[in-house]
Amino acid sequence: GAVVSQHPSRVICKSGTSVKIECRSLDFQATTMFWYRQFPKQSLMLMATSNEGSKATYEQGVEKDKFLINHASLTLSTLTVTSAHPEDSSFYICSAVLAASSYNEQFFGPGTRLTVL
Amino acid sequence: AQSVSQHNHHVILSEAASLELGCNYSYGGTVNLFWYVQYPGQHLQLLLKYFSGDPLVKGIKGFEAEFIKSKFSFNLRKPSVQWSDTAEYFCAVNPLTGGGNKLTFGTGTQLKVEL
Repeated sequence: GAVVSQHPSRVICKSGTSVKIECRSLDFQATTMFWYRQFPKQSLMLMATSNEGSKATYEQGVEKDKFLINHASLTLSTLTVTSAHPEDSSFYICSAVLAASSYNEQFFGPGTRLTVL
Repeated sequence: AQSVSQHNHHVILSEAASLELGCNYSYGGTVNLFWYVQYPGQHLQLLLKYFSGDPLVKGIKGFEAEFIKSKFSFNLRKPSVQWSDTAEYFCAVNPLTGGGNKLTFGTGTQLKVEL
């Protein structure tokens, strides 16, 4: 099946530093990837759509200068949380779209737990 | 903007009990509907999906869901739950007009099955 990985699985950083999270589709190519944020006991909130070879599309209320997304290849998208603050602490999940499926199914990564001290 | 409501936030059942989790969405157009499951410590997995046709769809592990268009609902059911069904369940909607591949998720339902 289609597998999506994320690295790192958890990261702790100091306030003011930047953190990069990688999302990889391991056995398929993905022209589109999505980045979600999940707060404790809440749902997944879509942050942005990452398109290979073009700029990401951000959802309303998501700061594009704060959350930098780069879709460098058909198997890799990165999310960089710049100048992280404690309120950025959250669980970040990516998904990759399997274009070859009948309806562009999304496959989800295991998530990255970010803690900003 | 469309929204997805899951009214049961926490459900506790004994093994062999029947399960029904509610999901309602607010969107007037045509939608694709999904149920995802997240087992403890694991990533989201697709349980089942509805695009068109028979409104009763069957998924993996004995789960099924029924799309009732007039009620904007897509409730998840299982006749007899097992301890291994303990997980968090998310309903999600993809509007076919202007939504692209975007999914809007419900808040999730935490299911605990007791032996």
